[in-house]
Amino acid sequence: GAVVSQHPSWVICKSGTSVKIECRSLDFQATTMFWYRQFPKQSLMLMATSNEGSKATYEQGVEKDKFLINHASLTLSTLTVTSAHPEDSSFYICSAPEEAGLANTGELFFGEGSRLTVL
Amino acid sequence: TQLLEQSPQFLSIQEGENLTVYCNSSSVFSSLQWYRQEPGEGPVLLVTVVTGGEVKKLKRLTFQFGDARKDSSLHITAAQPGDTGLYLCAGSYNFNKFYFGSGTKLNVKP
Repeated sequence: GAVVSQHPSWVICKSGTSVKIECRSLDFQATTMFWYRQFPKQSLMLMATSNEGSKATYEQGVEKDKFLINHASLTLSTLTVTSAHPEDSSFYICSAPEEAGLANTGELFFGEGSRLTVL
Repeated sequence: TQLLEQSPQFLSIQEGENLTVYCNSSSVFSSLQWYRQEPGEGPVLLVTVVTGGEVKKLKRLTFQFGDARKDSSLHITAAQPGDTGLYLCAGSYNFNKFYFGSGTKLNVKP
Protein backbone atom coordinates (compact mmCIF):
# COMPACT_ATOMS: atom_id res chain seq x y z
CA GLY A 1 0.00 0.00 0.00
CA ALA A 2 0.87 3.66 -0.20
CA VAL A 3 3.22 5.12 2.42
CA VAL A 4 2.93 8.41 4.23
CA SER A 5 5.77 9.53 6.45
CA GLN A 6 5.84 12.21 9.13
CA HIS A 7 8.79 13.96 10.66
CA PRO A 8 9.62 14.43 13.44
CA SER A 9 8.03 11.58 15.35
CA TRP A 10 8.21 13.55 18.55
CA VAL A 11 9.29 17.04 19.48
CA ILE A 12 9.62 18.93 22.73
CA CYS A 13 9.75 22.70 22.61
CA LYS A 14 9.54 25.70 24.87
CA SER A 15 6.40 27.77 25.11
CA GLY A 16 6.38 30.56 22.55
CA THR A 17 8.45 28.79 19.93
CA SER A 18 7.23 27.51 16.57
CA VAL A 19 7.36 23.91 15.48
CA LYS A 20 7.18 22.52 11.96
CA ILE A 21 5.91 19.04 11.18
CA GLU A 22 6.39 17.49 7.75
CA CYS A 23 4.14 15.01 6.00
CA ARG A 24 5.39 13.24 2.89
CA SER A 25 3.75 10.81 0.52
CA LEU A 26 6.61 8.51 -0.37
CA ASP A 27 5.40 6.56 -3.37
CA PHE A 28 2.45 8.50 -4.70
CA GLN A 29 1.39 12.04 -5.37
CA ALA A 30 -1.14 13.72 -3.14
CA THR A 31 -2.82 16.93 -4.22
CA THR A 32 -4.71 16.82 -0.96
CA MET A 33 -3.57 15.96 2.54
CA PHE A 34 -5.41 16.13 5.82
CA TRP A 35 -4.14 17.15 9.21
CA TYR A 36 -5.65 15.72 12.38
CA ARG A 37 -5.03 16.29 16.05
CA GLN A 38 -5.55 13.65 18.69
CA PHE A 39 -5.54 14.22 22.43
CA PRO A 40 -4.81 11.31 24.78
CA LYS A 41 -7.53 8.68 24.84
CA GLN A 42 -9.59 10.65 22.34
CA SER A 43 -10.45 10.35 18.69
CA LEU A 44 -8.93 12.20 15.76
CA MET A 45 -10.16 15.71 15.12
CA LEU A 46 -9.85 17.00 11.58
CA MET A 47 -8.03 20.32 11.63
CA ALA A 48 -7.60 21.26 8.00
CA THR A 49 -7.32 20.14 4.42
CA SER A 50 -4.01 20.91 2.76
CA ASN A 51 -4.29 21.66 -0.95
CA GLU A 52 -1.33 21.63 -3.30
CA GLY A 53 -1.04 24.97 -5.06
CA SER A 54 -3.71 26.74 -3.04
CA LYS A 55 -4.61 27.75 0.48
CA ALA A 56 -5.52 25.21 3.08
CA THR A 57 -9.12 24.98 4.21
CA TYR A 58 -9.62 24.90 7.96
CA GLU A 59 -12.34 23.26 9.98
CA GLN A 60 -14.52 25.40 12.18
CA GLY A 61 -12.79 26.45 15.36
CA VAL A 62 -9.24 25.87 14.12
CA GLU A 63 -7.11 29.00 14.09
CA LYS A 64 -5.46 29.31 10.69
CA ASP A 65 -2.90 31.82 11.98
CA LYS A 66 -1.96 29.42 14.72
CA PHE A 67 -1.64 26.34 12.56
CA LEU A 68 0.04 27.29 9.31
CA ILE A 69 -0.23 24.77 6.52
CA ASN A 70 1.84 24.79 3.36
CA HIS A 71 1.48 22.21 0.60
CA ALA A 72 4.78 22.84 -1.12
CA SER A 73 4.66 20.03 -3.65
CA LEU A 74 2.64 17.00 -4.66
CA THR A 75 4.44 14.94 -2.03
CA LEU A 76 4.93 17.35 0.87
CA SER A 77 2.69 19.22 3.28
CA THR A 78 3.89 20.99 6.39
CA LEU A 79 2.07 22.04 9.54
CA THR A 80 3.66 24.79 11.60
CA VAL A 81 2.39 25.35 15.11
CA THR A 82 3.22 28.98 15.76
CA SER A 83 3.92 30.40 19.21
CA ALA A 84 3.19 27.02 20.75
CA HIS A 85 1.71 26.79 24.22
CA PRO A 86 1.26 23.81 26.53
CA GLU A 87 -2.36 23.40 25.43
CA ASP A 88 -1.08 22.73 21.90
CA SER A 89 0.61 19.58 23.15
CA SER A 90 -0.98 16.74 21.22
CA PHE A 91 -0.50 13.97 18.69
CA TYR A 92 -0.64 15.40 15.19
CA ILE A 93 -1.35 13.01 12.33
CA CYS A 94 -1.47 13.63 8.61
CA SER A 95 -3.14 11.54 5.98
CA ALA A 96 -3.40 11.46 2.23
CA PRO A 97 -5.79 9.70 -0.12
CA GLU A 98 -4.22 7.67 -2.87
CA GLU A 99 -5.58 9.26 -5.98
CA ALA A 100 -5.26 6.47 -8.50
CA GLY A 101 -6.75 8.33 -11.42
CA LEU A 102 -10.40 7.43 -11.76
CA ALA A 103 -10.03 4.58 -9.31
CA ASN A 104 -10.07 6.72 -6.19
CA THR A 105 -11.40 4.47 -3.48
CA GLY A 106 -11.15 7.14 -0.83
CA GLU A 107 -8.68 5.11 1.19
CA LEU A 108 -6.66 7.31 3.49
CA PHE A 109 -3.08 6.50 4.30
CA PHE A 110 -1.87 7.85 7.59
CA GLY A 111 1.51 8.99 8.74
CA GLU A 112 3.04 7.65 11.91
CA GLY A 113 2.04 10.76 13.81
CA SER A 114 4.08 13.46 15.55
CA ARG A 115 3.86 13.91 19.28
CA LEU A 116 4.32 17.52 20.30
CA THR A 117 5.04 18.46 23.90
CA VAL A 118 5.20 22.13 24.74
CA LEU A 119 6.85 22.94 28.05
CA THR B 1 -20.01 18.00 19.41
CA GLN B 2 -18.95 14.77 17.73
CA LEU B 3 -20.36 14.19 14.28
CA LEU B 4 -20.13 10.44 14.74
CA GLU B 5 -20.85 8.86 18.11
CA GLN B 6 -19.48 5.45 18.91
CA SER B 7 -20.66 3.08 21.59
CA PRO B 8 -19.50 1.71 23.81
CA GLN B 9 -16.57 4.01 24.58
CA PHE B 10 -14.73 1.27 26.43
CA LEU B 11 -15.06 -2.49 26.25
CA SER B 12 -13.13 -5.08 28.21
CA ILE B 13 -13.89 -8.70 27.41
CA GLN B 14 -12.42 -12.16 27.72
CA GLU B 15 -10.77 -13.93 24.81
CA GLY B 16 -13.33 -15.86 22.79
CA GLU B 17 -16.26 -13.54 23.42
CA ASN B 18 -18.16 -11.73 20.71
CA LEU B 19 -18.71 -7.99 20.61
CA THR B 20 -20.36 -5.27 18.57
CA VAL B 21 -19.31 -1.65 18.26
CA TYR B 22 -21.77 0.92 16.97
CA CYS B 23 -21.19 4.12 15.05
CA ASN B 24 -24.14 6.50 14.79
CA SER B 25 -24.81 9.87 13.23
CA SER B 26 -27.67 12.05 12.13
CA SER B 27 -25.82 12.76 8.88
CA VAL B 28 -25.91 10.76 5.68
CA PHE B 29 -22.48 9.73 4.42
CA SER B 30 -21.31 8.76 0.98
CA SER B 31 -18.90 6.30 2.57
CA LEU B 32 -17.86 5.11 5.97
CA GLN B 33 -14.62 3.55 7.06
CA TRP B 34 -13.45 1.63 10.09
CA TYR B 35 -9.90 1.93 11.42
CA ARG B 36 -7.90 0.38 14.21
CA GLN B 37 -5.24 2.37 15.97
CA GLU B 38 -2.43 1.21 18.24
CA PRO B 39 -1.01 3.64 20.84
CA GLY B 40 1.46 6.08 19.35
CA GLU B 41 0.70 5.10 15.77
CA GLY B 42 -1.53 6.28 12.97
CA PRO B 43 -4.84 4.52 12.29
CA VAL B 44 -4.89 1.57 9.91
CA LEU B 45 -7.82 1.09 7.56
CA LEU B 46 -9.91 -2.04 8.08
CA VAL B 47 -12.77 -1.53 5.62
CA THR B 48 -14.69 0.96 3.51
CA VAL B 49 -18.45 0.66 2.97
CA VAL B 50 -20.30 2.79 0.46
CA THR B 51 -23.69 1.21 -0.19
CA GLY B 52 -26.61 1.38 2.24
CA GLY B 53 -27.17 -2.04 3.78
CA GLU B 54 -23.78 -3.26 2.67
CA VAL B 55 -22.14 -6.01 4.72
CA LYS B 56 -18.45 -6.79 4.50
CA LYS B 57 -16.52 -9.52 6.23
CA LEU B 58 -12.84 -9.53 7.07
CA LYS B 59 -12.00 -12.83 8.77
CA ARG B 60 -13.65 -12.57 12.20
CA LEU B 61 -14.78 -8.98 11.64
CA THR B 62 -18.16 -8.14 10.10
CA PHE B 63 -18.98 -4.59 9.09
CA GLN B 64 -22.42 -3.28 8.20
CA PHE B 65 -23.48 0.05 6.76
CA GLY B 66 -26.98 1.15 7.70
CA ASP B 67 -29.67 1.27 5.03
CA ALA B 68 -29.87 5.07 5.34
CA ARG B 69 -26.06 5.40 5.36
CA LYS B 70 -26.15 7.16 8.74
CA ASP B 71 -24.79 4.42 10.93
CA SER B 72 -22.57 1.39 10.93
CA SER B 73 -21.59 -1.52 13.13
CA LEU B 74 -18.52 -3.64 13.63
CA HIS B 75 -18.96 -7.15 14.99
CA ILE B 76 -16.02 -9.22 16.13
CA THR B 77 -16.46 -12.95 16.61
CA ALA B 78 -14.31 -14.88 19.08
CA ALA B 79 -12.19 -11.91 20.04
CA GLN B 80 -8.47 -12.43 20.54
CA PRO B 81 -5.92 -10.40 22.51
CA GLY B 82 -4.50 -9.24 19.20
CA ASP B 83 -7.78 -7.43 18.54
CA THR B 84 -7.03 -5.02 21.39
CA GLY B 85 -6.87 -1.42 20.22
CA LEU B 86 -8.80 1.75 19.52
CA TYR B 87 -11.49 1.26 16.89
CA LEU B 88 -12.55 4.33 14.96
CA CYS B 89 -15.28 4.85 12.44
CA ALA B 90 -14.95 7.70 9.97
CA GLY B 91 -17.55 9.13 7.63
CA SER B 92 -17.17 11.13 4.46
CA TYR B 93 -19.55 13.20 2.37
CA ASN B 94 -17.35 13.14 -0.73
CA PHE B 95 -15.21 9.99 -0.57
CA ASN B 96 -12.30 12.17 0.40
CA LYS B 97 -12.40 14.15 3.64
CA PHE B 98 -13.26 11.94 6.60
CA TYR B 99 -14.55 12.86 10.04
CA PHE B 100 -13.76 10.44 12.81
CA GLY B 101 -16.04 9.00 15.44
CA SER B 102 -15.50 9.27 19.16
CA GLY B 103 -13.68 5.93 19.29
CA THR B 104 -14.09 2.63 21.11
CA LYS B 105 -11.23 1.31 23.17
CA LEU B 106 -11.27 -2.49 23.17
CA ASN B 107 -9.28 -4.65 25.56
CA VAL B 108 -9.35 -8.40 25.08
CA LYS B 109 -7.99 -10.29 28.05
CA PRO B 110 -6.31 -13.67 27.54
